[in-house]
Amino acid sequence: EVQLVESGGGLVKPGSSLKLSCVASGFTFSSYGMHWIRQAPKKGLEWIALIYYDSSNKYYADSVKGRFTISRDNSKNTLYLEMNSLRSEDTAMYYCAAAISRTRFDYWGQGVMVTVSS
Amino acid sequence: QITLTQQAESLWVSPGEKVSITCRASQSLLYTDGKHYLSWYQQRPGQTTKALIYHASIRTDGVPTRFIGSGSGTEFTLSIEDVQPEDIALYYCLQTLKKPYTFGAGTKLELK
Repeated sequence: EVQLVESGGGLVKPGSSLKLSCVASGFTFSSYGMHWIRQAPKKGLEWIALIYYDSSNKYYADSVKGRFTISRDNSKNTLYLEMNSLRSEDTAMYYCAAAISRTRFDYWGQGVMVTVSS
Repeated sequence: QITLTQQAESLWVSPGEKVSITCRASQSLLYTDGKHYLSWYQQRPGQTTKALIYHASIRTDGVPTRFIGSGSGTEFTLSIEDVQPEDIALYYCLQTLKKPYTFGAGTKLELK
């Protein structure tokens, strides 16, 4: 069974840092590009980052560029999102998703909540 | 960046009816390989988001045949024929033609 399990979320103050993890199982993680997508409360989905299967390329949405870093460890089947200089507008549910190609996002996790508030 | 517009925030439907959800792109999603980089997703409470359609019209494995994707260029439609109670969900379109990838705002399907 395919599973993506996110963790590391929580309540933090503006300006703080947080690192999210996404552990994959049930598929060949090292063959898939991985994405982070977020959803602010009562809002739609926002793509924020992509890392290629071999970490050769990384892309970010303008809203997080320079503050967030996507990375992966294929030996641990784990995707990461390091978030720095967090703002209130970063408050959202954060999802990881796996994509064998840019055709579609094949698998999604259940999400982890990040709340940025003083 | 490419903007995707899902005009309808909500659509109300009775079981057994047909419903169509539209997604309009600010530029053509047709790539040089002849395929459209537009996919559709279903988001139900308590479940992981599910890919329904890719390349505008191809159903993902295991997706019921009542889900039909159509369209080309900048105009795309997800139709659900014979709506079932389990189809009540949020539906999003996504373009993966150009980065940053962008989603439509979502359309909530609700029961009349």
